[in-house]
Amino acid sequence: GDSVTQMEGPVTLSEEAFLTINCTYTATGYPSLFWYVQYPGEGLQLLLKATKADDKGSNKGFEATYRKETTSFHLEKGSVQVSDSAVYFCALSGTSYGKLTFGQGTILTVHP
Amino acid sequence: ETGVTQTPRHLVMGMTNKKSLKCEQHLGHNAMYWYKQSAKKPLELMFVYSLEERVENNSVPSRFSPECPNSSHLFLHLHTLQPEDSALYLCASSQDSSHNSPLHFGNGTRLTVT
Repeated sequence: GDSVTQMEGPVTLSEEAFLTINCTYTATGYPSLFWYVQYPGEGLQLLLKATKADDKGSNKGFEATYRKETTSFHLEKGSVQVSDSAVYFCALSGTSYGKLTFGQGTILTVHP
Repeated sequence: ETGVTQTPRHLVMGMTNKKSLKCEQHLGHNAMYWYKQSAKKPLELMFVYSLEERVENNSVPSRFSPECPNSSHLFLHLHTLQPEDSALYLCASSQDSSHNSPLHFGNGTRLTVT
Protein backbone atom coordinates (compact mmCIF):
# COMPACT_ATOMS: atom_id res chain seq x y z
CA GLY A 1 0.00 0.00 0.00
CA ASP A 2 0.86 3.66 -0.09
CA SER A 3 3.24 4.99 2.54
CA VAL A 4 5.11 8.19 3.41
CA THR A 5 8.31 8.39 5.43
CA GLN A 6 9.54 11.67 6.92
CA MET A 7 12.81 12.41 8.63
CA GLU A 8 12.76 11.93 12.37
CA GLY A 9 12.34 15.05 14.42
CA PRO A 10 12.36 17.23 16.26
CA VAL A 11 14.38 19.71 14.23
CA THR A 12 15.75 22.74 16.05
CA LEU A 13 17.23 25.66 14.12
CA SER A 14 18.30 29.23 14.68
CA GLU A 15 16.49 32.02 12.89
CA GLU A 16 17.68 32.52 9.27
CA ALA A 17 19.09 28.99 9.05
CA PHE A 18 18.44 26.76 6.02
CA LEU A 19 15.75 24.12 6.45
CA THR A 20 15.40 20.71 4.82
CA ILE A 21 12.82 18.15 5.89
CA ASN A 22 13.16 14.91 3.96
CA CYS A 23 10.16 13.01 2.67
CA THR A 24 10.09 9.82 0.60
CA TYR A 25 7.09 7.87 -0.52
CA THR A 26 5.89 4.54 -1.87
CA ALA A 27 2.85 4.49 -4.10
CA THR A 28 1.38 2.86 -7.15
CA GLY A 29 0.49 5.02 -10.10
CA TYR A 30 1.03 8.76 -10.09
CA PRO A 31 0.05 10.29 -6.77
CA SER A 32 -0.20 13.97 -5.94
CA LEU A 33 2.15 15.13 -3.18
CA PHE A 34 1.48 17.67 -0.45
CA TRP A 35 3.07 19.41 2.51
CA TYR A 36 0.76 20.43 5.33
CA VAL A 37 1.67 22.52 8.38
CA GLN A 38 0.06 22.40 11.82
CA TYR A 39 0.58 25.32 14.20
CA PRO A 40 -0.01 24.77 17.93
CA GLY A 41 -3.68 24.32 18.79
CA GLU A 42 -4.79 24.36 15.18
CA GLY A 43 -5.70 21.95 12.40
CA LEU A 44 -3.57 21.25 9.36
CA GLN A 45 -3.14 23.83 6.63
CA LEU A 46 -2.05 23.11 3.09
CA LEU A 47 1.42 24.58 2.58
CA LEU A 48 2.15 23.49 -0.99
CA LYS A 49 1.46 20.75 -3.48
CA ALA A 50 2.73 19.13 -6.68
CA THR A 51 0.65 16.95 -8.94
CA LYS A 52 3.16 15.48 -11.38
CA ALA A 53 6.83 14.61 -11.71
CA ASP A 54 9.28 17.57 -11.73
CA ASP A 55 6.59 19.98 -10.53
CA LYS A 56 7.80 22.42 -7.89
CA GLY A 57 5.35 23.55 -5.25
CA SER A 58 6.11 26.78 -3.41
CA ASN A 59 4.49 29.00 -0.81
CA LYS A 60 5.67 31.44 1.90
CA GLY A 61 9.32 30.82 0.98
CA PHE A 62 8.97 27.02 1.22
CA GLU A 63 9.64 24.82 -1.80
CA ALA A 64 9.45 21.14 -2.66
CA THR A 65 10.06 19.34 -5.96
CA TYR A 66 8.29 16.14 -6.99
CA ARG A 67 11.14 13.72 -7.82
CA LYS A 68 9.76 10.54 -9.30
CA GLU A 69 13.16 8.96 -9.86
CA THR A 70 14.01 9.16 -6.17
CA THR A 71 10.37 9.03 -4.95
CA SER A 72 11.01 12.10 -2.84
CA PHE A 73 9.38 15.44 -2.03
CA HIS A 74 11.79 17.20 0.33
CA LEU A 75 10.70 20.47 1.91
CA GLU A 76 13.18 23.37 1.89
CA LYS A 77 13.33 26.98 3.02
CA GLY A 78 16.33 29.23 2.66
CA SER A 79 15.86 31.29 5.83
CA VAL A 80 13.50 30.16 8.59
CA GLN A 81 11.72 32.44 11.03
CA VAL A 82 10.50 31.89 14.58
CA SER A 83 6.96 31.95 13.20
CA ASP A 84 7.76 28.82 11.13
CA SER A 85 7.83 26.73 14.31
CA ALA A 86 5.17 24.07 13.76
CA VAL A 87 4.67 20.43 12.81
CA TYR A 88 5.14 19.64 9.12
CA PHE A 89 3.42 16.71 7.42
CA CYS A 90 4.25 15.21 4.07
CA ALA A 91 1.32 13.47 2.37
CA LEU A 92 0.36 11.75 -0.82
CA SER A 93 -2.97 11.30 -2.46
CA GLY A 94 -3.55 8.14 -4.41
CA THR A 95 -6.57 7.07 -6.35
CA SER A 96 -8.88 6.01 -3.54
CA TYR A 97 -11.53 8.71 -3.11
CA GLY A 98 -9.15 11.52 -2.18
CA LYS A 99 -7.58 9.51 0.60
CA LEU A 100 -4.45 11.21 1.91
CA THR A 101 -1.64 9.10 3.37
CA PHE A 102 0.37 11.14 5.85
CA GLY A 103 3.87 10.86 7.20
CA GLN A 104 4.31 10.92 10.94
CA GLY A 105 5.09 14.62 11.05
CA THR A 106 8.27 16.55 11.85
CA ILE A 107 8.34 19.06 14.69
CA LEU A 108 10.29 22.21 13.79
CA THR A 109 11.38 24.69 16.44
CA VAL A 110 13.11 27.91 15.41
CA HIS A 111 14.93 29.95 18.06
CA PRO A 112 15.62 33.69 17.79
CA GLU B 1 -17.80 32.73 8.96
CA THR B 2 -15.54 30.89 6.55
CA GLY B 3 -13.53 27.69 6.45
CA VAL B 4 -14.10 24.54 8.46
CA THR B 5 -15.45 24.90 11.99
CA GLN B 6 -15.43 22.14 14.59
CA THR B 7 -17.24 22.07 17.92
CA PRO B 8 -16.54 21.54 20.69
CA ARG B 9 -12.82 22.33 20.82
CA HIS B 10 -12.36 20.14 23.89
CA LEU B 11 -14.43 17.24 25.20
CA VAL B 12 -13.99 15.03 28.23
CA MET B 13 -16.27 12.02 28.48
CA GLY B 14 -16.60 8.85 30.45
CA MET B 15 -16.64 5.45 28.82
CA THR B 16 -20.41 5.11 29.24
CA ASN B 17 -21.30 8.53 27.83
CA LYS B 18 -22.75 9.38 24.44
CA LYS B 19 -21.56 12.55 22.75
CA SER B 20 -21.30 14.01 19.25
CA LEU B 21 -18.66 16.01 17.44
CA LYS B 22 -19.84 18.57 14.92
CA CYS B 23 -18.17 19.90 11.79
CA GLU B 24 -19.42 22.61 9.46
CA GLN B 25 -17.80 23.88 6.26
CA HIS B 26 -18.58 27.14 4.51
CA LEU B 27 -16.44 26.51 1.42
CA GLY B 28 -19.04 24.97 -0.88
CA HIS B 29 -17.13 21.69 -0.91
CA ASN B 30 -18.66 18.36 -1.83
CA ALA B 31 -16.50 15.97 0.20
CA MET B 32 -15.94 15.77 3.95
CA TYR B 33 -13.66 13.63 6.09
CA TRP B 34 -12.96 12.57 9.66
CA TYR B 35 -9.34 11.98 10.69
CA LYS B 36 -7.91 10.83 14.01
CA GLN B 37 -4.60 12.31 15.21
CA SER B 38 -2.92 10.42 18.04
CA ALA B 39 0.39 11.25 19.62
CA LYS B 40 3.38 9.91 17.68
CA LYS B 41 1.22 8.25 15.01
CA PRO B 42 0.41 9.35 11.47
CA LEU B 43 -3.02 10.80 10.86
CA GLU B 44 -5.58 8.06 10.36
CA LEU B 45 -8.44 8.49 7.92
CA MET B 46 -11.68 7.32 9.52
CA PHE B 47 -14.51 8.23 7.14
CA VAL B 48 -15.03 9.90 3.78
CA TYR B 49 -18.29 11.38 2.51
CA SER B 50 -18.76 12.54 -1.05
CA LEU B 51 -22.00 14.32 -1.91
CA GLU B 52 -23.40 13.18 1.45
CA GLU B 53 -22.77 9.52 0.68
CA ARG B 54 -20.21 7.54 2.65
CA VAL B 55 -17.58 6.30 0.22
CA GLU B 56 -14.96 4.95 2.57
CA ASN B 57 -14.84 3.53 6.06
CA ASN B 58 -11.39 2.49 7.19
CA SER B 59 -12.37 -0.36 9.48
CA VAL B 60 -13.34 2.01 12.26
CA PRO B 61 -14.96 0.44 15.37
CA SER B 62 -18.73 0.73 15.52
CA ARG B 63 -18.52 2.90 18.65
CA PHE B 64 -17.79 5.70 16.15
CA SER B 65 -20.80 6.51 13.99
CA PRO B 66 -20.65 9.26 11.33
CA GLU B 67 -23.56 11.22 9.95
CA CYS B 68 -23.62 13.61 7.00
CA PRO B 69 -27.07 15.21 6.71
CA ASN B 70 -25.98 17.62 3.95
CA SER B 71 -22.82 18.70 2.16
CA SER B 72 -22.04 21.38 4.76
CA HIS B 73 -22.37 19.37 7.95
CA LEU B 74 -20.68 16.28 9.31
CA PHE B 75 -21.11 14.64 12.70
CA LEU B 76 -19.25 11.95 14.58
CA HIS B 77 -21.40 10.23 17.18
CA LEU B 78 -19.50 8.60 20.03
CA HIS B 79 -20.64 5.94 22.48
CA THR B 80 -18.96 3.54 24.90
CA LEU B 81 -15.50 4.78 23.98
CA GLN B 82 -12.24 3.44 25.37
CA PRO B 83 -9.36 5.43 26.88
CA GLU B 84 -7.24 4.67 23.78
CA ASP B 85 -9.76 6.65 21.74
CA SER B 86 -8.43 9.83 23.35
CA ALA B 87 -7.01 11.90 20.49
CA LEU B 88 -7.47 14.99 18.35
CA TYR B 89 -10.30 14.43 15.88
CA LEU B 90 -9.95 16.50 12.73
CA CYS B 91 -12.63 17.25 10.20
CA ALA B 92 -11.68 18.23 6.67
CA SER B 93 -13.39 19.10 3.43
CA SER B 94 -12.37 19.26 -0.23
CA GLN B 95 -13.92 20.47 -3.45
CA ASP B 96 -14.42 16.88 -4.51
CA SER B 97 -12.96 13.51 -3.62
CA SER B 98 -10.47 13.37 -6.49
CA HIS B 99 -6.84 12.91 -5.56
CA ASN B 100 -5.79 16.38 -6.75
CA SER B 101 -8.24 18.19 -4.49
CA PRO B 102 -6.46 19.48 -1.37
CA LEU B 103 -8.05 19.16 2.04
CA HIS B 104 -9.05 22.06 4.27
CA PHE B 105 -8.96 21.14 7.94
CA GLY B 106 -10.78 22.41 10.98
CA ASN B 107 -8.93 23.07 14.24
CA GLY B 108 -10.04 19.76 15.69
CA THR B 109 -11.78 18.49 18.81
CA ARG B 110 -9.45 17.33 21.58
CA LEU B 111 -11.19 14.28 23.06
CA THR B 112 -10.25 12.76 26.41
CA VAL B 113 -11.93 9.53 27.48
CA THR B 114 -11.74 8.86 31.21
